[in-house]
Amino acid sequence: AQSVAQPEDQVNVAEGNPLTVKCTYSVSGNPYLFWYVQYPNRGLQFLLKYITGDNLVKGSYGFEAEFNKSQTSFHLKKPSALVSDSALYFCAVRTVNFGNEKLTFGTGTRLTIIP
Amino acid sequence: EAGVVQSPRYKIIEKKQPVAFWCNPISGHNTLYWYLQNLGQGPELLIRYENEEAVDDSQLPKDRFSAERLKGVDSTLKIQPAELGDSAVYLCASSLEVASGGSDTQYFGPGTRLTVL
Repeated sequence: AQSVAQPEDQVNVAEGNPLTVKCTYSVSGNPYLFWYVQYPNRGLQFLLKYITGDNLVKGSYGFEAEFNKSQTSFHLKKPSALVSDSALYFCAVRTVNFGNEKLTFGTGTRLTIIP
Repeated sequence: EAGVVQSPRYKIIEKKQPVAFWCNPISGHNTLYWYLQNLGQGPELLIRYENEEAVDDSQLPKDRFSAERLKGVDSTLKIQPAELGDSAVYLCASSLEVASGGSDTQYFGPGTRLTVL
């Protein structure tokens, strides 16, 4: 089955430390991968995406993600965490089912940055 | 540039009542999506429009849910009658191209939080 997994429900990081939010995927063919962030009572905000090309993708708010084909992963990273980065993060992958393509989202990882 | 607009932001109704949600996508965006997001979960696609055509409604519970995008711009999602289990956040998203192969970025609205009592 085509899917994406976020193995950690919760990640806590001290302010100023590097952060990583993990994502692995399972799709046939070349994956299109996305990261979104959701703040309380808000919709999802786009951070970055991998379609093709350089494995290291840079996005909004200083975030980046590394596509690793051999490990089927697309982890989200930031060198120095801010308290304002505390939010819910979703990884998503384009899936195709009976000719219908859509974004399939993970269950989300709640990131808490500790001052 | 204005983002995706949704209204209302919050709605509380009693079970068996009808409810409707409205979405206005980003100007020029041809593809529009409705998602359902349950508490603690990622969004799940309900329906996708390319212009005015519903090209994927395979996950829309058609016995009680309906949607329309008559002029290929704004859209309405309706539930009639609502059930307790419909309590969730309903998100609308839009993307620019019709035939992008799924690479286009989807931009989301703030959502409508529905509570069914």
